[in-house]
Amino acid sequence: EAGVAQSPRYKIIEKRQSVAFWCNPISGHATLYWYQQILGQGPKLLIQFQNNGVVDDSQLPKDRFSAERLKGVDSTLKIQPAKLEDSAVYLCASSLGALAVGKTQYFGPGTRLLVL
Amino acid sequence: ELKVEQNPLFLSMQEGKNYTIYCNYSTTSDRLYWYRQDPGKSLESLFVLLSNGAVKQEGRLMASLDTKARLSTLHITAAVHDLSATYFCAVEPSGGGADGLTFGKGTHLIIQP
Repeated sequence: EAGVAQSPRYKIIEKRQSVAFWCNPISGHATLYWYQQILGQGPKLLIQFQNNGVVDDSQLPKDRFSAERLKGVDSTLKIQPAKLEDSAVYLCASSLGALAVGKTQYFGPGTRLLVL
Repeated sequence: ELKVEQNPLFLSMQEGKNYTIYCNYSTTSDRLYWYRQDPGKSLESLFVLLSNGAVKQEGRLMASLDTKARLSTLHITAAVHDLSATYFCAVEPSGGGADGLTFGKGTHLIIQP
């Protein structure tokens, strides 16, 4: 079974530039999450989708971050404009969904973003 | 607001020794997870604990959950170098469809020969 795919794996940009990350979840997983992991810390939830609807985006900095999952499968996370403090690893995770008994979240390899 | 605290945050131990990592959380939870992260890698699921008194074991690792005390432990038995990694506990909030995890800061474990 293929895991969660993310691209790009690495990105270096200058502050005030824009950047976008892509995620393809495990086939059949209805729920998709984006997390931000700053160096030395645990991941922090940014947004959760159930199919193509947003379940929780309370911790997403909406003035600069946006995310979508138009067809209920792939998702993109965008930052515009980027700040120095956005330097982090952006992790995508997926799970079977809220009604599943074993709804472990499976994480992708992450996109490492460096903002200069 | 759900808060998750792990301790210790850093642990250096010798091979063959036993040790325990602790995870406390602040509010009721549906599930508690333990993940492993190797340097530069993503998170690997180790255990999911669903109910009070749950105990799961895999190799030299054993995890337990006490929902009344809001405490989970990850016990390492006879540590080997391959277990060197950062270990995170993560808590899923109770009820509803919003089940994004709240993670602890992680325990950076180094096992020396």
